[in-house]
Amino acid sequence: KAGVTQTPRYLIKTRGQQVTLSCSPISGHRSVSWYQQTPGQGLQFLFEYFSETQRNKGNFPGRFSGRQFSNSRSEMNVSTLELGDSALYLCASSWGGAVNTEAFFGQGTRLTVV
Amino acid sequence: GENVEQHPSTLSVQEGDSAVIKCTYSDSASNYFPWYKQELGKGPQLIIDIRSNVGEKKDQRIAVTLNKTAKHFSLHITETQPEDSAVYFCAETGNQFYFGTGTSLTVIP
Repeated sequence: KAGVTQTPRYLIKTRGQQVTLSCSPISGHRSVSWYQQTPGQGLQFLFEYFSETQRNKGNFPGRFSGRQFSNSRSEMNVSTLELGDSALYLCASSWGGAVNTEAFFGQGTRLTVV
Repeated sequence: GENVEQHPSTLSVQEGDSAVIKCTYSDSASNYFPWYKQELGKGPQLIIDIRSNVGEKKDQRIAVTLNKTAKHFSLHITETQPEDSAVYFCAETGNQFYFGTGTSLTVIP
């Protein structure tokens, strides 16, 4: 069974640009959550999608958005990039019947904003 | 709840010794407590979890204990090996996952 796949693995963008990251969950999983990981702030929850609907949202500005497709694949978009957006972006998938189910992470996308 | 405290932030042990990492949480409604191991350049990997109706769970050299009254849970690794060296995160869930700040474990051969 394939794991969670995130693309691309690495990305370099310039301030002011926008970026789209992709996450393919484990087959059969309907929930996809996104996290930002930085040395200073640790793992912070961005949002969670379940069956194409945003179920939960963390405390990030509106520049961070996401969506989920009918095949459960999810994308995350960050507009008007800032230097502080440089981070490892992780997605996790779970069966999603309830929030408190096992979540499995991808390898992440390392975003560098210059 | 949003307040998950994890201690220690760094831990060094000799190979073969035990390692213990502790987390405390504030949301009494939380009912699922996973632990993740993250190696350099990789995403977090679920290593063990416990639910609020259980006090202890063990999987080979790894065990987790939960004290709901005191709102803390701990990860215990026995007979540590160099490959156990990584960053470990605890988490608790109310309506979303809240992660601890991580413990960097180094096992010295």
